[in-house]
Amino acid sequence: DIQMTQSPSSLSASVGDRVTITCRASQSISSYLNWYQQKPGKAPKLLIYAASSLQSGVPSRFSGSGSGTDFTLTISSLQPEDFATYYCQQKTFGPGTKVDIK
Amino acid sequence: QVQLQESGPGLVKPSQTLSLTCTVSGGSIRTADYYWSWIRQPPGKGLEWIGYIYYSGSTYYNPSLRSRVTISLDTSRNQFSLRLSSVTAADTAVYYCAGRGGDPKPRFDPWGQGTLVTVSS
Repeated sequence: DIQMTQSPSSLSASVGDRVTITCRASQSISSYLNWYQQKPGKAPKLLIYAASSLQSGVPSRFSGSGSGTDFTLTISSLQPEDFATYYCQQKTFGPGTKVDIK
Repeated sequence: QVQLQESGPGLVKPSQTLSLTCTVSGGSIRTADYYWSWIRQPPGKGLEWIGYIYYSGSTYYNPSLRSRVTISLDTSRNQFSLRLSSVTAADTAVYYCAGRGGDPKPRFDPWGQGTLVTVSS
């Protein structure tokens, strides 16, 4: 089975910061990689699919890149509503990255 | 647009079978657009894919849960269901139903709101 890892597991950032989260697959998954945002008590929300395609309605400050085994999610200018946990997913999910307020 | 809603008991005793239903609205469950999925999240932990079912009835399960999981369709009610047998406290989690669509670029969207199931005597 393909294993997904994420780094960092958590980070503290300020409003306006550029934030980058990394996801790594244990073997090549081409571009079959999705990113989700989850806020406490809520279901995950799809942000990015197929590594770099922005889901409809998601702000353009979110972007994704990568292929093969290494992928990144970037938030270009962190907003107050972006403090949440982010998961990557191929078939299984990564362990998550919690973004909180510095 | 398709919307999903989970329902079922919030408390299950150890060794018994957990049963949940997901009602699909805004579209037919008999569509080739989605694999109907279950995902769970233990309190304070990450997301675990349980399995999914296609409109044809084909099922795909997480190998770690395969021996205990059954996912089925009820097309007359536009619902799909999860059964997880021989539960323990480790099965305590929020259970989400979701549509896995977008082939050949599969992703989970939409999601239900989730339902907490506690395994306790």
